[in-house]
Amino acid sequence: QVTLRESGPALVKPTQTLTLTCTFSGFSLSTSGMCVSWIRQPPGKALEWLARIDWDDDKYYSTTLKTRLTISKDTPKNQVVLTMTNMDPADTATYYCARTHRVRNGGHSDYWGQGTLVTVSS
Amino acid sequence: QSVLTQPPSASGTPGQWVTISCSGSGSNIGSEKVNWYQQLPGKAPTLLIYINDQRPSGVPDRFSGSKFGTSASLAISGLQSEDEADYYCAAWDDSLKGYVFGTGTKVTVL
Repeated sequence: QVTLRESGPALVKPTQTLTLTCTFSGFSLSTSGMCVSWIRQPPGKALEWLARIDWDDDKYYSTTLKTRLTISKDTPKNQVVLTMTNMDPADTATYYCARTHRVRNGGHSDYWGQGTLVTVSS
Repeated sequence: QSVLTQPPSASGTPGQWVTISCSGSGSNIGSEKVNWYQQLPGKAPTLLIYINDQRPSGVPDRFSGSKFGTSASLAISGLQSEDEADYYCAAWDDSLKGYVFGTGTKVTVL
């Protein structure tokens, strides 16, 4: 059974760095073609893709947020960590991690975590 | 801002056929596979269609996907009340070297 769970602070102050952890089970990030993606959704708005890390440690980032994001994995621990620097109230959103199968350059996310709401406020 | 454009809303009565369009460009839909996600109110998204027209196990066959050129469509035949949700198309963008989601379409069952 595949499960993913996001964890991290519910509230961060402007300019702080956000660190989110995705802990998963039921699959391994050492399997060829397996990836984990991060996606966010501001309240009442559309989904926004943030980053992806692949089984071979290739990393991809949103062009608009690239300078602020870092994604990494700890394969034995079944965890993927996303850090976002210089947080702003506009970054208030529910953050999801999702298992992604790589297809060509892209892929599809077949299992998602329940999401964690991060509010940026002083 | 998204590079994949969807109509903000669509609606139909139970049993009707509803289609949702997703317009992109040669660097995304035109050259990569399209996926569709369903997001029920207050829930995380779920995969509805992958690789343009494939349904994951458990997805009813009233949902179908298609792609033509730089556009894609999701069709719901025999609309049901439980289909009331937000729907997003998505694809890799070769120019951005990243994944892009559509603007989202809210489907209402009248």
